[in-house]
Amino acid sequence: QKEVEQNSGPLSVPEGAIASLNCTYSDRGSQSFFWYRQYSGKSPELIMFIYSNGDKEDGRFTAQLNKASQYVSLLIRDSQPSDSATYLCAVNRNYGGSQGNLIFGKGTKLSVKP
Amino acid sequence: AAGVIQSPRHLIKEKRETATLKCYPIPRHDTVYWYQQGPGQDPQFLISFYEKMQSDKGSIPDRFSAQQFSDYHSELNMSSLELGDSALYFCASSLRQVYGYTFGSGTRLTVV
Repeated sequence: QKEVEQNSGPLSVPEGAIASLNCTYSDRGSQSFFWYRQYSGKSPELIMFIYSNGDKEDGRFTAQLNKASQYVSLLIRDSQPSDSATYLCAVNRNYGGSQGNLIFGKGTKLSVKP
Repeated sequence: AAGVIQSPRHLIKEKRETATLKCYPIPRHDTVYWYQQGPGQDPQFLISFYEKMQSDKGSIPDRFSAQQFSDYHSELNMSSLELGDSALYFCASSLRQVYGYTFGSGTRLTVV
């Protein structure tokens, strides 16, 4: 089992709809969780990070974390064609004060249709 | 704002040649990471440096080595290149990793 699992998609939603992206992780020691957006051939861009159970909102984006279920999600409200990209979920295993590193899921490809 | 600078942007090498990729982190960031991303794949962690010391090692082949210099820039050295090494190589930096990484634009390596 891969440490970070995502549906590869593609996930297709109409413009203006809510896109829901999901991610599960296997290591209960994971401390922090990140969502990156990556356009084809470009570098990943940090959208949101979350550490605590519950919801965190930033503009059209809401990250949700449930550590008991080892589940993190990203909601994109009022989806725009420019949101079409691959969304990478990443998890930090930060043990004992070390810097750790991010483990990425394979990403979910989102397509927003005009 | 300053970003993570990688050079070169594109590199074409022949099999068995050597390549050196460079990364200049955001000023005052204390950690540098190297990732490899093959076509359609997720980024795979290679190696990281914290305050110029190797802090973690991932799936980096023995043919590759990396170091971080006194000015905090980092270099990834790749020898005996194979066709399968063709990929995007990203460098990222962070200040106290908990805040997430900032990625550079990447170096696209093509081995022919």
